[in-house]
Amino acid sequence: GEDVEQSLFLSVREGDSSVINCTYTDSSSTYLYWYKQEPGAGLQLLTYIFSNMDMKQDQRLTVLLNKKDKHLSLRIADTQTGDSAIYFCAESITSASKIIFGSGTRLSIRP
Amino acid sequence: DGGITQSPKYLFRKEGQNVTLSCEQNLNHDAMYWYRQDPGQGLRLIYYSQIVNDFQKGDIAEGYSVSREKKESFPLTVTSAQKNPTAFYLCASSIPYSGRARGNEQFFGPGTRLTVL
Repeated sequence: GEDVEQSLFLSVREGDSSVINCTYTDSSSTYLYWYKQEPGAGLQLLTYIFSNMDMKQDQRLTVLLNKKDKHLSLRIADTQTGDSAIYFCAESITSASKIIFGSGTRLSIRP
Repeated sequence: DGGITQSPKYLFRKEGQNVTLSCEQNLNHDAMYWYRQDPGQGLRLIYYSQIVNDFQKGDIAEGYSVSREKKESFPLTVTSAQKNPTAFYLCASSIPYSGRARGNEQFFGPGTRLTVL
């Protein structure tokens, strides 16, 4: 069945790069997403990538996709205190199908 | 300003009571969703609705019910049959199919935290 896995916690020093990893099982996944959830709030779409892409860059965010290994990563350059949040990896097969979310990675920033 | 609102932000319920969580959107979105979030478990889909007067069960629908009488509204009722209802509940909506260049991008409300006493 469909499954998305990610580690629960990541701690980085302010100014360093953060890399959050995710693996998924459904090779039919066409859309892969990264959502951000700040404390006590809903989720917000950060970025997305189509399965026919290897990489996508958007300002401080870089998404890498290894389709062969079904591995997705999110790199945040120059991590700031405002980046503290839970980051969810997610996938869907089509633009109409439901989204499967991972368990979320809680990113904490050390001074 | 367009967006999704959920009310109340915090809700307390006694065991054996039904309770209804509100979700309203003014984004003109067709599809709406209810998720449950538990610590370390991510989001699990309860119910979703692709169009008015139609809805489908998600992965954990038991003990919950919904209605979709208006495009803007998708209330969720947590019934007494739900054995462990304490959780954070999130409502979301999706843009119309014609605009889905970014996949099934979902817009989330701020959530309702339900606690059973």
